[in-house]
Amino acid sequence: DTTVKQNPRYKLARVGKPVNLICSQTMNHDTMYWYQKKPNQAPKLLLFYYDKILNREADTFEKFQSSRPNNSFCSLYIGSAGLEYSAMYLCASSGNRVGPTEVFFGKGTRLTVV
Amino acid sequence: GDSVTQTEGLVTVTEGLPVKLNCTYQTTYLTIAFFWYVQYLNEAPQVLLKSSTDNKRTEHQGFHATLHKSSSSFHLQKSSAQLSDSALYYCALSAGSNNRIFFGDGTQLVVKP
Repeated sequence: DTTVKQNPRYKLARVGKPVNLICSQTMNHDTMYWYQKKPNQAPKLLLFYYDKILNREADTFEKFQSSRPNNSFCSLYIGSAGLEYSAMYLCASSGNRVGPTEVFFGKGTRLTVV
Repeated sequence: GDSVTQTEGLVTVTEGLPVKLNCTYQTTYLTIAFFWYVQYLNEAPQVLLKSSTDNKRTEHQGFHATLHKSSSSFHLQKSSAQLSDSALYYCALSAGSNNRIFFGDGTQLVVKP
């Protein structure tokens, strides 16, 4: 099974409210990623976990949090949603080798902030 | 910085005709690999092709691409487009020990009857 599962597929949030997105994979991959995808733009890497080590991109450092309580599970947390957070959020995983390798994506969660 | 450029946002082609999606890149990483991801409607992006070898053609599902480091390109081609090829295609550069992925903006391929 090479699937990455994301829940929910669609989420509606209010401005100023928190949002928590969930991702899981059963491939025992050591790295899990979160991307933000807006129309006509490239998927933008927000952060990734290598094992238990969280790496956040500099330009989104303060906007997104994440947790990885075990190898299979990773969440993306927005403390206070703004309209600009409306996007598709893609979770992905890769492993287990050092260096460039294929990543496996989930179907995404479409977040709409109103 | 590191980036991937896909020059066409939309490519429309008639079924049975050849198609080419362009991809160029710039990177400072030495350890790199390239991918074409395809995303069908309501599905997850999935790998179509991958390569890390200069000047070696790679093929899958009728598509082919050759990494040319001399021109920093990894164009995707198919000799005869099918209706089922209609999808969003991403060119991606994978780099470094942390496997950072840099995506192009994507090219929407529409194959018409």
